[in-house]
Amino acid sequence: SQTIHQWPATLVQPVGSPLSLECTVEGTSNPNLYWYRQAAGRGLQLLFYSVGIGQISSEVPQNLSASRPQDRQFILSSKKLLLSDSGFYLCATNSGSPPYEQYFGPGTRLTVT
Amino acid sequence: SQQGEEDPQALSIQEGENATMNCSYKTSINNLQWYRQNSGRGLVHLILIRSNEREKHSGRLRVTLDTSKKSSSLLITASRAADTASYFCATDGKTSGSRLTFGEGTQLTVNP
Repeated sequence: SQTIHQWPATLVQPVGSPLSLECTVEGTSNPNLYWYRQAAGRGLQLLFYSVGIGQISSEVPQNLSASRPQDRQFILSSKKLLLSDSGFYLCATNSGSPPYEQYFGPGTRLTVT
Repeated sequence: SQQGEEDPQALSIQEGENATMNCSYKTSINNLQWYRQNSGRGLVHLILIRSNEREKHSGRLRVTLDTSKKSSSLLITASRAADTASYFCATDGKTSGSRLTFGEGTQLTVNP
């Protein structure tokens, strides 16, 4: 079964600083990968998803970007953080075939100050 | 935009009682799934119901799906304090491929 690692677990960054969040997946090859953001007490907003190396789809225009340099590595980045980038960031993969159950990492809590 | 909407937003019950959460969605779906999230953690898949199914059971969980009303319910029977968590429904639309759309969630508190 898949295991998803995310780091760091928590991060406090000043406005205007860069961001790099990393997600790696074990136990599967060529996974679909997803980045979600969750505001406090809210549901999940899909930010990016990737079906393969170098293939990134953006769901909403924003201050963030994503990259997939290796098959099981997914990176979320920003050149200059905004206060509104604060939130809980979750990386996920899926079961690989329909129906697409998703498996989530432990998340990164980002606070922009 | 989020397709799924859960209600209630928050539910507080006593141990041993049943908890019912509802989810509504807007477009045609292939499947509907329910996930659980403990505070500050990732989501965990609970149960999936296909669009051609009306009811499904897994342990103390019972899920129903009414595609004519575009709604689903999750029933947790004989609740325990350890069931305290947020519960989310998620749908995969017929044109969304593997992407899921999550609702806003129901925060369930089970008091011992």
